[in-house]
Amino acid sequence: GQSLEQPSEVTAVEGAIVQINCTYQTSGFYGLSWYQQHDGGAPTFLSYNALDGLEETGRFSSFLSRSDSYGYLLLQELQMKDSASYFCAVRARDNYGQNFVFGPGTRLSVLP
Amino acid sequence: KAGVTQTPRYLIKTRGQQVTLSCSPISGHRSVSWYQQTPGQGLQFLFEYFSETQRNKGNFPGRFSGRQFSNSRSEMNVSTLELGDSALYLCASSSGTSGGSQYFGPGTRLLVL
Repeated sequence: GQSLEQPSEVTAVEGAIVQINCTYQTSGFYGLSWYQQHDGGAPTFLSYNALDGLEETGRFSSFLSRSDSYGYLLLQELQMKDSASYFCAVRARDNYGQNFVFGPGTRLSVLP
Repeated sequence: KAGVTQTPRYLIKTRGQQVTLSCSPISGHRSVSWYQQTPGQGLQFLFEYFSETQRNKGNFPGRFSGRQFSNSRSEMNVSTLELGDSALYLCASSSGTSGGSQYFGPGTRLLVL
């Protein structure tokens, strides 16, 4: 089967840095994505890593290590508006073809 | 560019009925994927359509089906609704040719009574 693990909750204060980890077990791995979802909203694409290393987009960075089946999302200079759920997702292959498998999500609470 | 649109936004049905949901992707995007989101199961992949063909599918029963039209708009149908089908149904569009970037619509919230 295919599975992803990430912490259920993370709490941090405004201005701080937080790292959300994601470990995965999949077959036919193509890449790791991160999405943000505010309560009542739709997931919003943040980043995608197909190769090992760090990708930086503004205050957000994402890292992938294919050999460790591990990645993380790093959020810097936290703002109150960053309070949301964050999902890692793997593009992988199973018996049905390629698909996206999402992690259970990490709820980030940013405190003043 | 306009974003992904989904209609209707809210729907109430009773068990045994069927429902059709619609999704219009971002202009130029040829891939539309459908997801079911529930508090208990999270985000689960239903299927992906690319150029009017189902390219990939998740592990859902045959009651869940879809199609894509030549303008890339997609519809999803659920027949013989069950209480457990109550969920937020999201569609996501992408170019279909690169990476993991998908752009989600606002979703259709379906309640089955």
